[in-house]
Amino acid sequence: GNSVTQMEGPVTLSEEAFLTINCTYTATGYPSLFWYVQYPGEGLQLLLKATKADDKGSNKGFEATYRKETTSFHLEKGSVQVSDSAVYFCALVGGTSYDKVIFGPGTSLSVIP
Amino acid sequence: DAMVIQNPRYQVTQFGKPVTLSCSQTLNHNVMYWYQQKSSQAPKLLFHYYDKDFNNEADTPDNFQSRRPNTSFCFLDIRSPGLGDAAMYLCATSRQRGEQFFGPGTRLTVL
Repeated sequence: GNSVTQMEGPVTLSEEAFLTINCTYTATGYPSLFWYVQYPGEGLQLLLKATKADDKGSNKGFEATYRKETTSFHLEKGSVQVSDSAVYFCALVGGTSYDKVIFGPGTSLSVIP
Repeated sequence: DAMVIQNPRYQVTQFGKPVTLSCSQTLNHNVMYWYQQKSSQAPKLLFHYYDKDFNNEADTPDNFQSRRPNTSFCFLDIRSPGLGDAAMYLCATSRQRGEQFFGPGTRLTVL
């Protein structure tokens, strides 16, 4: 079945540091890939998405590229801010799960001034 | 703005006392979902409606039920909450295979 693996957290960075959160997936067919962000006490918000190979999703300075050859969708940001402190979930839809989102376990990010 | 609304944001109930959480959407999406989330873990899908068709996950306890009286509203009923049911409950919607849009969640406390 489909699955998503993320790097273990928590991740602690200083403000303006470079961020990478690794995400790899297993799926048949051509899934769509997503990054969701959850700020403390809130629901999940879609951060960015990519629907086919080599697509790059971007939003709020975050980027991720759909790499089919390495089955990866790593999240990057060049300069993090304190306000980016949150939990980040990599996810996919499609393959053998048409309507269900398959989430990774989440990566907690803390950015310190 | 089109959105997913959950009420209440915080719900306190007593052990064994039935509770209902509500979700409404103005997105006119045909699929609605209920998730349970504990301690910033990945959300766990409880069930979803594809239009009026109800789809229960195999490991969702019988204690949890759902109703969708119309396109806009969906309810989560917990018949006899236990301490282990304390969690954040998230409602989401999507248009078929598209991205899911989440509500802010209801945090349930069981005393």
